[in-house]
Amino acid sequence: DSGVTQTPKHLITATGQRVTLRCSPRSGDLSVYWYQQSLDQGLQFLIQYYNGEERAKGNILERFSAQQFPDLHSELNLSSLELGDSALYFCASSVATGAHYGYTFGSGTRLTVV
Amino acid sequence: AQSVTQPDIHITVSEGASLELRCNYSYGATPYLFWYVQSPGQGLQLLLKYFSGDTLVQGIKGFEAEFKRSQSSFNLRKPSVHWSDAAEYFCAVAVSNTGKLIFGQGTTLQVKP
Repeated sequence: DSGVTQTPKHLITATGQRVTLRCSPRSGDLSVYWYQQSLDQGLQFLIQYYNGEERAKGNILERFSAQQFPDLHSELNLSSLELGDSALYFCASSVATGAHYGYTFGSGTRLTVV
Repeated sequence: AQSVTQPDIHITVSEGASLELRCNYSYGATPYLFWYVQSPGQGLQLLLKYFSGDTLVQGIKGFEAEFKRSQSSFNLRKPSVHWSDAAEYFCAVAVSNTGKLIFGQGTTLQVKP
């Protein structure tokens, strides 16, 4: 157990739907990162939050949004889902805001869009 | 632009044999480099990291990596592979002043009995 908790572990939904993925960071970590892992794109950075504020944005689609709450958990919202959004979505956390100390990853949420 | 290349998509080694996984990076400044391992159905676990100083870095599970600036490489090594090392291995570089890690495409390691 890495200390980073992601729910749900698996999600199957239809095209056009909206889903919410949840992440609880490791105790004491203030930064949360979201990554998408797919066979064709590999691991792609989506977005980072630090202590409730957005800090960095990557290849995140406009249909996707995220937020970090006062208790530091984070949610990734995916809307108007397409087949191509099927992927493994990882959350990671770290104490500080820079990536140079490395992250602790959760076990991921596997999203299947049918 | 920053990038990470893992030239080998798939590697098979016999149990007990030595292992070297290649990683080349492209980064303007002094890089912060990482190796992560992902077992099937699991998240990514940090094996080791390089910030500065000694170019040979020791990690968990008996892994080590050597930073070679002249070759822009950060290859992962293990003297004797165990069947439990079968997994996917990712090299990554941190983009300074951001929270972003850039990952390579990964190398899948298969271990033959």
